[in-house]
Amino acid sequence: AQTVTQSQPEMSVQEAETVTLSCTYDTSESNYYLFWYKQPPSRQMILVIRQEAYKQQNATENRFSVNFQKAAKSFSLKISDSQLGDTAMYFCAFTLYSGAGSYQLTFGKGTKLSVIP
Amino acid sequence: EPEVTQTPSHQVTQMGQEVILRCVPISNHLYFYWYRQILGQKVEFLVSFYNNEISEKSEIFDDQFSVERPDGSNFTLKIRSTKLEDSAMYFCASSRALNQPQHFGDGTRLSIL
Repeated sequence: AQTVTQSQPEMSVQEAETVTLSCTYDTSESNYYLFWYKQPPSRQMILVIRQEAYKQQNATENRFSVNFQKAAKSFSLKISDSQLGDTAMYFCAFTLYSGAGSYQLTFGKGTKLSVIP
Repeated sequence: EPEVTQTPSHQVTQMGQEVILRCVPISNHLYFYWYRQILGQKVEFLVSFYNNEISEKSEIFDDQFSVERPDGSNFTLKIRSTKLEDSAMYFCASSRALNQPQHFGDGTRLSIL
């Protein structure tokens, strides 16, 4: 079974600063996807960024980037130039790439990020 | 941008009663999912649905649970006889294809009294 661990229950960052959220996962498979989802107080879970395990290049979406270390099974999220709207719960998630069935997501417990003005 | 919509946002039900949670996935999506999040715990997979049948289900998804796509737009989760431990936030998600990201709704907070 796959597991996802987020070791930081809460973090805070000053507006305009950079913050890194940690995520580790455990799997014996080699083909999978990793995700970061954001859940602001409005509740809707929004996809922030996605990484395919077969890609060595780290994914980037504007101010959001990941540091994907496959051997270490680590997938951290870096938020640059933090904005007040980044205040949210951030979930790391994992799914196997099996080519069939469904791609159920396995989530970590989440990190609550507060951006301080 | 199209969204997954869920109704109601909050449902309060007496223990033992049946409850139906409703979801309208994004219109061109083909894969549908239900997840739940008990307060303070992880988001957990319940079930996935494709081509009018269940693709996978977790051990949480026992005989008390069922899913249905009654028409071309709705996707429902029914809990037949609710228990106190069913109190949770329930999220619906959909994706266009297997290898495409899942888009989530706002969730329905289910409170069992």
